[in-house]
Amino acid sequence: DTGVSQNPRHKITKRGQNVTFRCDPISEHNRLYWYRQTLGQGPEFLTYFQNEAQLEKSRLLSDRFSAERPKGSFSTLEIQRTEQGDSAMYLCASSSGPKETQYFGPGTRLLVL
Amino acid sequence: AQSVTQLGSHVSVSEGALVLLRCNYSSSVPPYLFWYVQYPNQGLQLLLKYTSAATLVKGINGFEAEFKKSETSFHLTKPSAHMSDAAEYFCAVSGPSARQLTFGSGTQLTVLP
Repeated sequence: DTGVSQNPRHKITKRGQNVTFRCDPISEHNRLYWYRQTLGQGPEFLTYFQNEAQLEKSRLLSDRFSAERPKGSFSTLEIQRTEQGDSAMYLCASSSGPKETQYFGPGTRLLVL
Repeated sequence: AQSVTQLGSHVSVSEGALVLLRCNYSSSVPPYLFWYVQYPNQGLQLLLKYTSAATLVKGINGFEAEFKKSETSFHLTKPSAHMSDAAEYFCAVSGPSARQLTFGSGTQLTVLP
């Protein structure tokens, strides 16, 4: 069990550029979650997958955001045409079932200039 | 709908003193409740969770929390603070289907020598 990993750990981009983050969950965890955390706030739910199916999306997830989990393993979160308001920590978590503990990765910190 | 309120965005205690971090929740269904800790530039680590079993929950690093339905509270305590406890603490709630977590805004704990 190597834990949840996320790459990159930091990303600086210019407004209008596209960015993609990757999350590798704990192996055999069928649920994967994305959260966003802004400075001084708790994480806010964005979306979650059960295996490869995206089952729920928050209203925070605008049309510029897209998430995938091909083959039910790693997941990617893409933000198109980034805006300064997208600057945040993006956290990924995984769990082995709906009532099981969510284990968090170290996060990807995004700064949009 | 679910929500969490953490009273006190900053709490300072002396080393060896009692730690008390407050969390009140609102939930239309029987809640699952969690405390997570976040160290600088790291993801969230689970301290403890309540899932409708014993109302007094013991977690890691000497922390415990008591679920009080009548007060809709789930306060986190530790009898004796250690310097290594300095971090940000988040209370979170989910429903029985335990999809996404709803987090409070966090409490930054400072431990004074």
